[in-house]
Amino acid sequence: RKEVEQDPGPFNVPEGATVAFNCTYSNSASQSFFWYRQDCRKEPKLLMSVYSSGNEDGRFTAQLNRASQYISLLIRDSKLSDSATYLCVVNTGTGKLIFGQGTTLQVKP
Amino acid sequence: DADVTQTPRNRITKTGKRIMLECSQTKGHDRMYWYRQDPGLGLRLIYYSFDVKDINKGEISDGYSVSRQAQAKFSLSLESAIPNQTALYFCATSDFKGTSGANVLTFGAGSRLTVL
Repeated sequence: RKEVEQDPGPFNVPEGATVAFNCTYSNSASQSFFWYRQDCRKEPKLLMSVYSSGNEDGRFTAQLNRASQYISLLIRDSKLSDSATYLCVVNTGTGKLIFGQGTTLQVKP
Repeated sequence: DADVTQTPRNRITKTGKRIMLECSQTKGHDRMYWYRQDPGLGLRLIYYSFDVKDINKGEISDGYSVSRQAQAKFSLSLESAIPNQTALYFCATSDFKGTSGANVLTFGAGSRLTVL
């Protein structure tokens, strides 16, 4: 089993839709969690950290469920510019930062 | 100038050749990482280093070696390149201070390596 797993998609949604991605992790000692965005084989860039109580940044909401060992990302009112690959990243507790395989989102007009 | 600089950006080489990818950073971060990315597989950790004297294997270290020459420099070597090492390689840094902002990665622009 991979340490961090995501549904690769692709998720094809119309503009304005709400879409959610999940990411599961296997190491219960994992300490910190992040969502990164990657455009067209460019370098990944931090979208948001994921806090235990959940957190929101504009149209983006991240949540952590430690009991079930998953994190989620919700995007409301999708824009064409949201089309990208979304990568979850987990600090496994030893400082190793492990990526999921990424979920591709395509927002269509 | 970029905070994290990778050289070369693109390289085509032949099977059996030795290749070095270099990474330098101006962020003053202690932690540096090398990842490779293949289509459909996300980024996989090759090696990581928490300081000059600390080197650790990642998920896929076989066939690779690294050198942390200074806090700001972390190079990745392929001693004898093979075609399945064709990939996009990313160097990244992070700064750990034990805060909620810890371990946020800053990436270089990537090095595309093709092994024929």
